[in-house]
Amino acid sequence: EVQLVESGGGLIQPGGSLRLSCAASGFTVSSNYMSWVRQAPGKGPEWVSVIYSGGSTYYADSVKGRFTISRDNSKNTLHLQMNSLRAEDTAVYYCARDRIAAAGTWVDVWGQGTTVTVSS
Amino acid sequence: EIVMTQSPATLSVSPGERATLSCRASQSVRSNLAWYQQKPGQAPRLLIYGASTRATGIPARFSGSGSGTEFTLTISSLQSEDFAVYYCQQYNNWPPVTFGQGTRVDIK
Repeated sequence: EVQLVESGGGLIQPGGSLRLSCAASGFTVSSNYMSWVRQAPGKGPEWVSVIYSGGSTYYADSVKGRFTISRDNSKNTLHLQMNSLRAEDTAVYYCARDRIAAAGTWVDVWGQGTTVTVSS
Repeated sequence: EIVMTQSPATLSVSPGERATLSCRASQSVRSNLAWYQQKPGQAPRLLIYGASTRATGIPARFSGSGSGTEFTLTISSLQSEDFAVYYCQQYNNWPPVTFGQGTRVDIK
């Protein structure tokens, strides 16, 4: 069964750091485009970052320079290192597997999400 | 960045009736549009990609149409399990992909 399980969320003070992890099963992370998507309370999803199968990475402007996406091929795991956290980063963070078309990607597998709350 | 606008914000429908949800893009996304369903406390679930192709396991009562800037998700006969929030997402100009703000379908 294809599955994504996130961990690492929690309550953190502004300016702090967190590292999210996403363990994949049923497929190989390194052979896929993988994304992080977040959703603030009562809002629509917001794309955060993607890592291509070839290793290229891209970020939303709102997190560029603060967040880093990576993967551990030996553990079939995706990570998101989040530094300099702000109140506006408060959201449920979803790990996602992307499907690829000529133009772009959509998500066909979502994790259950992990909640990040940035507050003093 | 392409802005996706969904309407209405809330749609009240009786079970068995048809629901029609709209999604508009701020510029053409051709047919590079997906629809997702989200129930409370759950992750979104892929329904449609390529504007009109149902994802694996999605019932035939869900259909998508449109291209360019105007898109529609139709649920032909609402079942109790269909009451949820629906999001559209463009993937024509990416990154970033962008999502709409959602349409909530609730029981009339």
